[in-house]
Amino acid sequence: AQKVTQAQTEISVVEKEDVTLDCVYETRDTTYYLFWYKQPPSGELVFLIRRNSFDEQNEISGRYSWNFQKSTSSFNFTITASQVVDSAVYFCALSEANTGFQKLVFGTGTRLLVSP
Amino acid sequence: DSGVTQTPKHLITATGQRVTLRCSPRSGDLSVYWYQQSLDQGLQFLIHYYNGEERAKGNILERFSAQQFPDLHSELNLSSLELGDSALYFCASSEGQVSNTEAFFGQGTRLTVV
Repeated sequence: AQKVTQAQTEISVVEKEDVTLDCVYETRDTTYYLFWYKQPPSGELVFLIRRNSFDEQNEISGRYSWNFQKSTSSFNFTITASQVVDSAVYFCALSEANTGFQKLVFGTGTRLLVSP
Repeated sequence: DSGVTQTPKHLITATGQRVTLRCSPRSGDLSVYWYQQSLDQGLQFLIHYYNGEERAKGNILERFSAQQFPDLHSELNLSSLELGDSALYFCASSEGQVSNTEAFFGQGTRLTVV
């Protein structure tokens, strides 16, 4: 069964600190996609990244980086030099081939609070 | 701005009533997905339409229904509303038939049932 676990409910950091948000997933499928979305206080869900199961290369985009490790079924997200604008709830999600990639299964989210 | 438009942004209604939520996908996107975000259930997939046809159903109650019209906009109909239906309802769209492509979400409709 597919499942996404974000064990960290809430993280508080001070601006300029680095922070890592953990995501562990469960799937029996060999073909799947992993995603991260950001939900700022305004409420919308903002797409951040998509990674397929055959691409374990880490990715960096500005202050954001993602570490995908199939051996530990993890897809962790690091924000370097955090800023107040990074305060949001971050969701990790999974989409599997055996459901025809028809839906995203989300974790429960991690609320990140960045204080000045 | 994701390009996905949802109306209304807020809706307050009484138990037992029926409401319709509307979604206009990004230009060129043929897939529309509906998700419900509630405090107790988190973000849950409800239903997926592609080019007017229903493609997948998730945890959608029988009191809920959806459709996608020829102009590709979609409506989610919620009837016999209960207090527990209060949630943020998101629409998302993507270019392809499946969600392994980037799905872009609207700002959501916050439904409050009183």
